[in-house]
Amino acid sequence: DTAVSQTPKYLVTQMGNDKSIKCEQNLGHDTMYWYKQDSKKFLKIMFSYNNKELIINETVPNRFSPKSPDKAHLNLHINSLELGDSAVYFCASRKTAGAGTDTQYFGPGTRLTVL
Amino acid sequence: AQKVTQAQTEISVVEKEDVTLDCVYETRDTTYYLFWYKQPPSGELVFLIRRNSFDEQNEISGRYSWNFQKSTSSFNFTITASQVVDSAVYFCALSEEGNFNKFYFGSGTKLNVKP
Repeated sequence: DTAVSQTPKYLVTQMGNDKSIKCEQNLGHDTMYWYKQDSKKFLKIMFSYNNKELIINETVPNRFSPKSPDKAHLNLHINSLELGDSAVYFCASRKTAGAGTDTQYFGPGTRLTVL
Repeated sequence: AQKVTQAQTEISVVEKEDVTLDCVYETRDTTYYLFWYKQPPSGELVFLIRRNSFDEQNEISGRYSWNFQKSTSSFNFTITASQVVDSAVYFCALSEEGNFNKFYFGSGTKLNVKP
């Protein structure tokens, strides 16, 4: 049973299009994340939601809009796609522990290619 | 300044050699967590270990071992008798008491194990 799943796995699209990536976790976690991994493998955090509330919003173009309909889902919508948006996007989830922190578990990634 | 530094960009070894991946971190918090993740060529991010700042005991798991030294702010990862399947990019990460929600990832070390 997949713990953190993302759809689609691959996404090829033209510049200027709008696309969405979906993420779901069945771990009962309350915090979810979006990361972007560029061609040099650098992992950059984009957003985080805790119980549907935005808690981390890094410097990301406002063409990127996350949406969390419930704490098991965090979707990423991208408007007016640009060539530089080509990357692998990872979703992750984590259970917030009161006295510390738990591990982030990652989805399989979505490889976005903008032509 | 980088909170997590993985100075080794790429390492190549021959199968059965031992290899150590370095991780140096920077934090002013007394409570923090350190992590290692593995990203094989298939692309997923796999959690390997979590260590909290109060536990300096070294950890061994099969051929993997981790050396946590607060005095040098390092959390190094050693693979004993490396195998081709160990070929991957390995990431070290830090989360701090100031904001456990946010993970700081190093830039990764690519390990190539040749037969």
